[in-house]
Amino acid sequence: KQEVTQIPAALSVPEGENLVLNCSFTDSAIYNLQWFRQDPGKGLTSLLLIQSSQREQTSGRLNASLDKSSGRSTLYIAASQPGDSATYLCAVRPQRDSNYQLIWGAGTKLIIKP
Amino acid sequence: NAGVTQTPKFQVLKTGQSMTLQCAQDMNHNSMYWYRQDPGMGLRLIYYSASEGTTDKGEVPNGYNVSRLNKREFSLRLESAAPSQTSVYFCASSTGSAYNEQFFGPGTRLTVL
Repeated sequence: KQEVTQIPAALSVPEGENLVLNCSFTDSAIYNLQWFRQDPGKGLTSLLLIQSSQREQTSGRLNASLDKSSGRSTLYIAASQPGDSATYLCAVRPQRDSNYQLIWGAGTKLIIKP
Repeated sequence: NAGVTQTPKFQVLKTGQSMTLQCAQDMNHNSMYWYRQDPGMGLRLIYYSASEGTTDKGEVPNGYNVSRLNKREFSLRLESAAPSQTSVYFCASSTGSAYNEQFFGPGTRLTVL
């Protein structure tokens, strides 16, 4: 059964630092991996989608990488800002599951200190 | 273009009461989903509809029913609410291709007393 883990559960860094969030999954048979952002009391905003054939995707200050063979993805945030404070969730779409669901990590709560 | 909308945003129920959560999307997506999010856990799929006219159980379907009213709308019903159903409920939609991303609504925060 596919499982997704995000470590650490929480992270606090000073403004301006570059940082990396981690996501690991147990079964490499995936269609894709998606990173989301969730602000307190709000819905989920899709940040980046990486297909299984891709190694990375970039959007602005965000870069997500995927190493399917080792079951790992990282989300790199450059020059962090207080507005980046949120919970970041990763989710994989497994190939072995026919009901199209996403399997989710529990998230990393990021706090950027001014 | 509103994307995925959900009503209500907040709801408080007493144990045993029933209610329906509404979801609509305007992106002409084929597939729609209902998830619940509990503290410290990832989202879990309750039900999904791969296309209009079909619905299937997800990981945690007990205590819920769904209706795919048309291509735009997918509702979630709690027939007899229980405190264990206190959660945040998210509706999502996608084109239906395994390669495409899912888009999420703002969520419904439900408390069952």
